[in-house]
Amino acid sequence: DTAVSQTPKYLVTQMGNDKSIKCEQNLGHDTMYWYKQDSKKFLKIMFSYNNKELIINETVPNRFSPKSPDKAHLNLHINSLELGDSAVYFCASSREYEQRNHSPLHFGNGTRLTVT
Amino acid sequence: KNEVEQSPQNLTAQEGEFITINCSYSVGISALHWLQQHPGGGIVSLFMLSSGKKKHGRLIATINIQEKHSSLHITASHPRDSAVYICAARRGSRLTFGEGTQLTVNP
Repeated sequence: DTAVSQTPKYLVTQMGNDKSIKCEQNLGHDTMYWYKQDSKKFLKIMFSYNNKELIINETVPNRFSPKSPDKAHLNLHINSLELGDSAVYFCASSREYEQRNHSPLHFGNGTRLTVT
Repeated sequence: KNEVEQSPQNLTAQEGEFITINCSYSVGISALHWLQQHPGGGIVSLFMLSSGKKKHGRLIATINIQEKHSSLHITASHPRDSAVYICAARRGSRLTFGEGTQLTVNP
């Protein structure tokens, strides 16, 4: 059983389009994340949700909007795609306990987005 | 300057060698993660530690909180260990990542 699954694996689209990436975890974790990995392989946090509530929102253009319909899902919607959005996007989850502590992260396999 | 610095950026070793990858961070943290990214792109969590040392198979991770430094060691390295190794410092729910160390182990 896949613990953290994201779809699609590859996404090729034209500038200006709107697209979504879906993420689901079956681990019972209460915290989910979206990370962006650029062409230099550098990972950066974009968003973090805890129990469907947004807790981290980095300086990401507001064309990016996360949506968490329930604790097991965190989808990423991107409007008006730009060339610079091309990257690999990783979803991850962890369990938060004792308020400040987390379990290890479980990552999805990534979605390679190419904007042409 | 990145809050999390890794060294070296690239490392090439011969099979069987002992490998060390270093990670320094400049802020207070609640935990330090070591991740492995395979050539296919998938990311796996190797360790999460907040003090001392952890061991899993041929992998050992250590952390010195006072010196704000962590190391990942691989004993008896093997070509299948070839990957990018990333350290990440956790503060609350926020992870700050190092730039990764590309490890290549030649047979």
